[in-house]
Amino acid sequence: AQKVTQAQTEISVVEKEDVTLDCVYETRDTTYYLFWYKQPPSGELVFLIRRNSFDEQNEISGRYSWNFQKSTSSFNFTITASQVVDSAVYFCALSEAFNQGGKLIFGQGTELSVKP
Amino acid sequence: DTAVSQTPKYLVTQMGNDKSIKCEQNLGHDTMYWYKQDSKKFLKIMFSYNNKELIINETVPNRFSPKSPDKAHLNLHINSLELGDSAVYFCASSQDRTSPYNEQFFGPGTRLTVL
Repeated sequence: AQKVTQAQTEISVVEKEDVTLDCVYETRDTTYYLFWYKQPPSGELVFLIRRNSFDEQNEISGRYSWNFQKSTSSFNFTITASQVVDSAVYFCALSEAFNQGGKLIFGQGTELSVKP
Repeated sequence: DTAVSQTPKYLVTQMGNDKSIKCEQNLGHDTMYWYKQDSKKFLKIMFSYNNKELIINETVPNRFSPKSPDKAHLNLHINSLELGDSAVYFCASSQDRTSPYNEQFFGPGTRLTVL
């Protein structure tokens, strides 16, 4: 069965702190894709990154970085030097290569609050 | 140049009514989706259409009926609304369903409140 778990429901940090959002997934497929989306207070869902199961290279984009580890079925997201504008709900999601229609299976979301 | 648009943004209605939410994408994508986000922010797939053909129906009650007049539009009609239908409904699109690697672009969401 496919499942995505984001164990941290809420995280609160002070500006400039580093913060890591955890994501653990379950799938029987050998080919799958992982995503992170951001949902700011305005409500829209913003795509941040995708990673396929054959590419375990970590990725850095500005203050954002992602650590994909197949051995632990994790795809964690780190924000370095957090800013107030990073306050949002962050969702990790899974899509399986041979799944039915490309659906995304979302984790429960982690609400990040960055205080000034 | 909105990529995925939904109307209305807010919908407040009484229990038992029938309502529709419209979605349009101008990205030329083949696949469109409806997701429901409940009060705890949990997002779950409802339907997926590929070139006007229903691909996924994720055990959604029959009161929900998606309609795709063409591949750029996917509307959601809800009959006999219930209190539990209150949620935010997101439309999304992606290049095609044969490649789940493709990111999904989401609309702004429609907040449905059933009184």
